[in-house]
Amino acid sequence: DQQVKQNSPSLSVQEGRISILNCDYTNSMFDYFLWYKKYPAEGPTFLISISSIKDKNEDGRFTVFLNKSAKHLSLHIVPSQPGDSAVYFCAASEMNRDDKIIFGKGTRLHILP
Amino acid sequence: KAGVTQTPRYLIKTRGQQVTLSCSPISGHRSVSWYQQTPGQGLQFLFEYFSETQRNKGNFPGRFSGRQFSNSRSEMNVSTLELGDSALYLCASSLEAQGARGYTFGSGTRLTVV
Repeated sequence: DQQVKQNSPSLSVQEGRISILNCDYTNSMFDYFLWYKKYPAEGPTFLISISSIKDKNEDGRFTVFLNKSAKHLSLHIVPSQPGDSAVYFCAASEMNRDDKIIFGKGTRLHILP
Repeated sequence: KAGVTQTPRYLIKTRGQQVTLSCSPISGHRSVSWYQQTPGQGLQFLFEYFSETQRNKGNFPGRFSGRQFSNSRSEMNVSTLELGDSALYLCASSLEAQGARGYTFGSGTRLTVV
C-alpha cells in the first residue's frame, strides 16, 4: 500500500515559468511533509518542509502548499531555472509514531531552455 | 564538516553472494537510516539505527540486515543476493532530536547483481 503518491513520473516546464509538482497521501496521521531534490549519482538533498499545522511554507523560489482535507500537497518553483532539473521526492512522517520518512516514487522535472 | 560517507560507491556481485555496505554518518549524528532506491519503487525504507539499536524496520526480507557500531558507523548486509536487489542503497544520518526532519543523505552505493 503506497502511502505517499506522486502520480506524475515526469514533468517538463519552460525556463522562467512555474513548475508545480503534486503529491497525495493516504495516512491522515502524517503530520510533517518534506520535499527532497535528487541529482543523478548524488543522494537526495532536503529542499523544503511543512508541518500539518500550516497550509503554506515559502523559501525563496520554493513554496509548498498543504491541503489536509484533500490529503494533497504541492511544490511550486517560480521562476524555474535549468538547475532545477532533477528528481523531486515528496515525503511524509508521523512524528508521534516512529518518525520514519515515507517517500513517494519521485517526479523527474525537466526545465526546457 | 564532512558529510555522510558511503562505501563503496559501486559494486557488482553475482546472484547468491552476500554484500556489506558501509555508512559513516556526520560527526555527532547518532541516527542512521537506510533506504533502497529503484526506478519502479522510489525510495523504500529499510531500517533505522540509533545508539547501536535497530529502532525501525521496513518491509524487507530477512536477507537484509544491518548494525551500528559505537562510533555510529553503520553497515548493512544483504545475503543470498537476487537480481532484484540491484539498486541504489542510500544512507541518511540525523541528530536524534531532529529525527527524520534532519536527514542528510550520502551519495549512495550502486549495487548491481548479475
